[in-house]
Amino acid sequence: DIVMTQTPLSLSVTPGQPASISCKSSQSLLHSDGKTYLYWYLQKPGQSPQLLIYEVSSRFSGVPDRFSGSGSGTDFTLKISRVEAEDVGVYYCMQGIHLLRTFGQGTKVEIK
Amino acid sequence: QVQLQESGPGLVKPSQTLSLTCTVSGGSISSGGYYWSWIRQHPGKGLEWIGYIYYSGSTYYNPSLKSRVTISVDTSKNQFSLKLSSVTAADTAVYYCARVRGLRGYFDYWGQGTLVTVSS
Repeated sequence: DIVMTQTPLSLSVTPGQPASISCKSSQSLLHSDGKTYLYWYLQKPGQSPQLLIYEVSSRFSGVPDRFSGSGSGTDFTLKISRVEAEDVGVYYCMQGIHLLRTFGQGTKVEIK
Repeated sequence: QVQLQESGPGLVKPSQTLSLTCTVSGGSISSGGYYWSWIRQHPGKGLEWIGYIYYSGSTYYNPSLKSRVTISVDTSKNQFSLKLSSVTAADTAVYYCARVRGLRGYFDYWGQGTLVTVSS
C-alpha cells in the first residue's frame, strides 16, 4: 500500500493569511504515462469531500484561484494564499497511481 | 449535473450483510471512461477506499475488505451497489458513493453519504 502522510494534522489560521499543507507519499506518484496522480480534497463540516486539485496542480472546476498545488515525486504541497472563513474543514491528499487508493490522515483547518 | 444518492438500511446487525445502493442521475452509468466507487469514513476518522466498478462489471477491491465485499452494477436502473458481509461494529461508518474519472483519476462527484451503524 502507498502510505500518504500529511503535516500538520491541524492548522489555525487568521483570515487573510496564507496556509500550507504538506503531503508525502511512500512511493513516487509519477506514472509511466507522465502524469503524477496526486489529488487534494476538502471536506467541509457535515459535507462530502469535494475535489480541489487534480494531478498535483490543476484546479478543479469552480475552485478559487487562492488554492494552488505543487510538488513532484513523493512530496506535495497545497497552499491557500489567503484563507477565508469558508475554507474551514479537513483537507485530504489522495494518490491514484496505485489501484488501491489511499488517503492522507487529513489536516483540520480552522479559523482563529 | 451528475448527482449520486446512497440508499439502504441505517442499522445492520452484527454478522449480517450490509447492502447499499447508489443511484446516479444526470448522467449514464454506462458512460465510458468512468468508474463508480464506494468509500467509507469511520466516525471522526479519515477516508477509506472500498472499491470500484466499471459499467462492464469489472471490479477492483481494497484487499483489506476483499473477502467480504461485492460491488455490482445495474445499468438498466443506473445504479451500483455495495454488499459487505459478516459485519462487525468496526464497519460502522458513513458510506459514500462517488464517480471516478478514469482508473487512476479523481473522484469528482460524491453522494451525500449514509451512516450505517452495526449494532444488535
